[in-house]
Amino acid sequence: EVQVVESGGGLVQPGRSLRLSCTTSGFTFGDYAMSWFRQSPGKGPEWLSVIRSKAYGESIEYAASVRGRFTISRDDSTSIAYLQMSYLKTEDTALYYCTRDIDRGSAANWGLGTLVTVS
Amino acid sequence: DIVMTQSPLSLSVTPGEPASISCRSSQSLLYSNGYNYLDWYLQKPGQSPQLLIYLASNRASGVPDRFSGSGSGTDFTLKISRVEAEDVGVYYCMQAVEIPRTFGPGTKVDIK
Repeated sequence: EVQVVESGGGLVQPGRSLRLSCTTSGFTFGDYAMSWFRQSPGKGPEWLSVIRSKAYGESIEYAASVRGRFTISRDDSTSIAYLQMSYLKTEDTALYYCTRDIDRGSAANWGLGTLVTVS
Repeated sequence: DIVMTQSPLSLSVTPGEPASISCRSSQSLLYSNGYNYLDWYLQKPGQSPQLLIYLASNRASGVPDRFSGSGSGTDFTLKISRVEAEDVGVYYCMQAVEIPRTFGPGTKVDIK
């Protein structure tokens, strides 16, 4: 069974940093792209970033709202994806989700999310 | 960025009756390989989103066959043949043809 578990969220002051982790199991991690999304209370999901598999050069993309502040990475040896968040703003407050992607970018498996509060 | 719109934004359905949600994109979601990169997700109350349909018409693993997706280019539809109580929640369409991936505003479905 595919499992995706986000961790690392918490309360942080504006301008500070936080690193989120996405621990996975149940699939060959290195074969899949991994993405991060977030969802603010009462709003829809927002895509943030993707890191593709080694077969696709581990290419990376970011949403404009986080480009230059957030950094996605992956460790295929431990099946963990990361989201390093710097220069956090109050508007970054949200539930952050990690997903395993299939095909060009369908988010096939979501975790329960980890809550980040910037205040 | 590709803008996604959905209609209706809310839907109240009688159990056992069909339901349909429309999704439109500001640009074609048809990729050069012939596939339409349009997904449908359901977010049940208090839960994470879950993938229902990918590539416009392919049911994700474990999704009941009462859910079906259709459409091409810029116009897409999600149909539920017979709504069940467990289908309540917010349905989102999302385009995956280009970065950034963008979502529709969501359609809230509840039971009459």
